[in-house]
Amino acid sequence: DAGVTQSPTHLIKTRGQHVTLRCSPISGHKSVSWYQQVLGQGPQFIFQYYEKEERGRGNFPDRFSARQFPNYSSELNVNALLLGDSALYLCASSPSGGSNQPQHFGDGTRLSIL
Amino acid sequence: AQSVAQPEDQVNVAEGNPLTVKCTYSVSGNPYLFWYVQYPNRGLQFLLKYITGDNLVKGSYGFEAEFNKSQTSFHLKKPSALVSDSALYFCAVRDRNNAGNMLTFGGGTRLMVKP
Repeated sequence: DAGVTQSPTHLIKTRGQHVTLRCSPISGHKSVSWYQQVLGQGPQFIFQYYEKEERGRGNFPDRFSARQFPNYSSELNVNALLLGDSALYLCASSPSGGSNQPQHFGDGTRLSIL
Repeated sequence: AQSVAQPEDQVNVAEGNPLTVKCTYSVSGNPYLFWYVQYPNRGLQFLLKYITGDNLVKGSYGFEAEFNKSQTSFHLKKPSALVSDSALYFCAVRDRNNAGNMLTFGGGTRLMVKP
């Protein structure tokens, strides 16, 4: 079975631009979470979506937004990009929204802001 | 609020020796605890979890972890290290009282296993 897939794998943008990152969860998984991993640090929670509803939001500015589609795939949007947004963006899926099941991560999208 | 501390940025161990990667946590309620491993240019790979029950949890690739409620710790262990275990290891916690499944990660510990 395919794991969590993310696209694109790498992206280079300039300050002020916007970006859309995409994630397809493992088949049968209904919850998708997004994390930001800055180089040298642990991942930081951005959003969780379950059944197309936002279930949680981390401490990120309103420039960050996300949505989940009927097929449970998800997009993360970031507007007005700043140099500090350069990071690895990880998507994780799990079968349900609040279970004790582990989240399964994709390989991430590496975003570089020039 | 929930938090995780991994006090060692790097752990060095010789191949064949036992290894320990330390983790302490803080949550307001009872925790779910997880260990993940990250190889270069890859996402996080699940190793093991503590939900309830036996304090010694066994996971993938011969790793295990011991939950200690009084010390709020969840140290990762392996009896005999392999060079291929060299990677970045993350401890994560989730408060089981939270409706969502937000994970809070530690800063990571780089494990270096030398031949």
